[in-house]
Amino acid sequence: GAVVSQHPSRVICKSGTSVKIECRSLDFQATTMFWYRQFPKQSLMLMATSNEGSKATYEQGVEKDKFLINHASLTLSTLTVTSAHPEDSSFYICSAPGQGGYGYTFGSGTRLTVV
Amino acid sequence: AQKVTQAQTEISVVEKEDVTLDCVYETRDTTYYLFWYKQPPSGELVFLIRRNSFDEQNEISGRYSWNFQKSTSSFNFTITASQVVDSAVYFCALSDYSSASKIIFGSGTRLSIRP
Repeated sequence: GAVVSQHPSRVICKSGTSVKIECRSLDFQATTMFWYRQFPKQSLMLMATSNEGSKATYEQGVEKDKFLINHASLTLSTLTVTSAHPEDSSFYICSAPGQGGYGYTFGSGTRLTVV
Repeated sequence: AQKVTQAQTEISVVEKEDVTLDCVYETRDTTYYLFWYKQPPSGELVFLIRRNSFDEQNEISGRYSWNFQKSTSSFNFTITASQVVDSAVYFCALSDYSSASKIIFGSGTRLSIRP
């Protein structure tokens, strides 16, 4: 079935550095990718929607300059957390719509810890 | 606007008990999808079910069953004869009927099954 490979699964970085998270669709073309963030013991909140070949659409309250999203090809979408701070520590997960019998394929998530 | 409410933040039951997780949704769309996902401690999202708004038939899959009632905008999930392995956070979610639309998640219910 459809698979979205998300890397890294865990990352620890120092405050002020940038971190890139990749989501690759392995056996299908993903023209759209949704990026979610989940703080501990909270729900998944949509951050932005990336579309191949165009600018990402950000949800209200999400800083575009801090969370850079690039959808460079039909199989790769990336989220870069720039100048990360401890409050950015969270679980980030991507999702491609329209695949599989249930309509969505999720990556396995990235747990980011900023120290 | 779309909204999913899971009023039960945490539930704890003894193994072999039946347990029902409640989900109430709001949408102005006449056609939509409803979902249930399981999130174990590892973080990945495990798809459980997708139901479209046209189909109000209840569904049973092994120990799992779902009750969809449009009249009350509810999509409740019941686990029969619960097991310790059922311990996880369960999310109810909603999307519109487009194959490329975002999913809106409820706040989740943390289920603990005690041996």
